[in-house]
Amino acid sequence: DTAVSQTPKYLVTQMGNDKSIKCEQNLGHDTMYWYKQDSKKFLKIMFSYNNKELIINETVPNRFSPKSPDKAHLNLHINSLELGDSAVYFCASSDLGFGEKLFFGSGTQLSVL
Amino acid sequence: GESVGLHLPTLSVQEGDNSIINCAYSNSASDYFIWYKQESGKGPQFIIDIRSNMDKRQGQRVTVLLNKTVKHLSLQIAATQPGDSAVYFCAENILNRDDKIIFGKGTRLHILP
Repeated sequence: DTAVSQTPKYLVTQMGNDKSIKCEQNLGHDTMYWYKQDSKKFLKIMFSYNNKELIINETVPNRFSPKSPDKAHLNLHINSLELGDSAVYFCASSDLGFGEKLFFGSGTQLSVL
Repeated sequence: GESVGLHLPTLSVQEGDNSIINCAYSNSASDYFIWYKQESGKGPQFIIDIRSNMDKRQGQRVTVLLNKTVKHLSLQIAATQPGDSAVYFCAENILNRDDKIIFGKGTRLHILP
């Protein structure tokens, strides 16, 4: 019954590794997002997709690559992980496109050692 | 830097009292404002929103006030309960910035017994 679900919840990995975080929403929303939350709780948008099309691509390293196989899924792949990538990553979705309320997943805490 | 900011990073309130969390924004073009609540280990959850053509909106135990003259937004929680302990974020939609939601830094609300 979870509206926006992301896996895994915790991810601990070594520098230089490649990892993926998966996200699925069952709300029928057309728009999905990835946000990064740092240790000070600051939330910053990374990407957004509208019906499988990339709409927002903030200034993030190209080691981060989102992939949307269909409008219910938006996965995040990270290559060559660095210490500074450690954060909590949130997936979210919205109904009417931009400017409307977001529904967030429970987050993936990524720790790069 | 981001245009949305909060006056107090931490707020301690006696259980049963009313809480007021404040937020300032700098862009007069913003026309949609949202408050989110983030409990520990969870993603942000929508509380209430307000559009710029309104100055007050009420929900269940929550009220949002918008003062466009001084670019100020507040969230009032009536009869604060232990379950209200969380980090609260205000967010704005800046229409000329690809309609993406911009989050403020967050205020942690502590409920004192």
